[in-house]
Amino acid sequence: QVQLQESGPGLVKPSETLSLSCTVSGGSISSYYWSWIRQPPGKGLEWIGSISYSGTTNYNPSLKSRVTISVDTSKNQFSLNLRSVTAADTALYYCARRRVDTFIPGNWFDPWGQGTLVTVSS
Amino acid sequence: QSVLTQPPSVSGAPGQRVTISCTGGDSNIGAGYDVHWYQQLPGTAPKLLIYGHNNRPSGVPDRFSGSKSGASASLAITGLQAEDEADYYCQSYDSSLSGSVFGGGTKLTVL
Repeated sequence: QVQLQESGPGLVKPSETLSLSCTVSGGSISSYYWSWIRQPPGKGLEWIGSISYSGTTNYNPSLKSRVTISVDTSKNQFSLNLRSVTAADTALYYCARRRVDTFIPGNWFDPWGQGTLVTVSS
Repeated sequence: QSVLTQPPSVSGAPGQRVTISCTGGDSNIGAGYDVHWYQQLPGTAPKLLIYGHNNRPSGVPDRFSGSKSGASASLAITGLQAEDEADYYCQSYDSSLSGSVFGGGTKLTVL
């Protein structure tokens, strides 16, 4: 079955750019939307944004000015860039596949990667 | 402040039934978008529990069920077991944000 694995630096300095990748295995990245979701330590989940295999994106309005999500179908990967980070961006970052169904309004996420902790600190 | 509202905690004894509520508004659950539920065991990633407000992925016991009414939804767990102790999150789509929204999460304690 499809599995996702996040990778990237675990420590980023304030004002710099957080960059993470998610590698999809066990299936093709094509024909689906893919998403990033984060969880600050001890807090709830926040959707960051999603991208289709063809590159169509949509972002959380609260992060839109700082976020770029891109896809590389040749590597079966998609990536997250979050600019100008502060301590408030410290979180577990998860990648996930976005699912839809003709008869189910909206979308959900399955499966999820194991998550990677990114700490913003000097 | 999450767009969807969940109680911070619920508890129940083994074998009992518990419910977790998820309240939204006119641009998400009340607009007809379905509610999905995730279980997050300690130290692990969230796992899809219920989708389309009452469909279970393969492997999820039928002790878990979802329902929806108006702008609210509920997750019910019957025959509570110690292994059910986890954080539970609801999620829906919000048309005003053009994206997904989550509840703040509910910690289930099995007494």
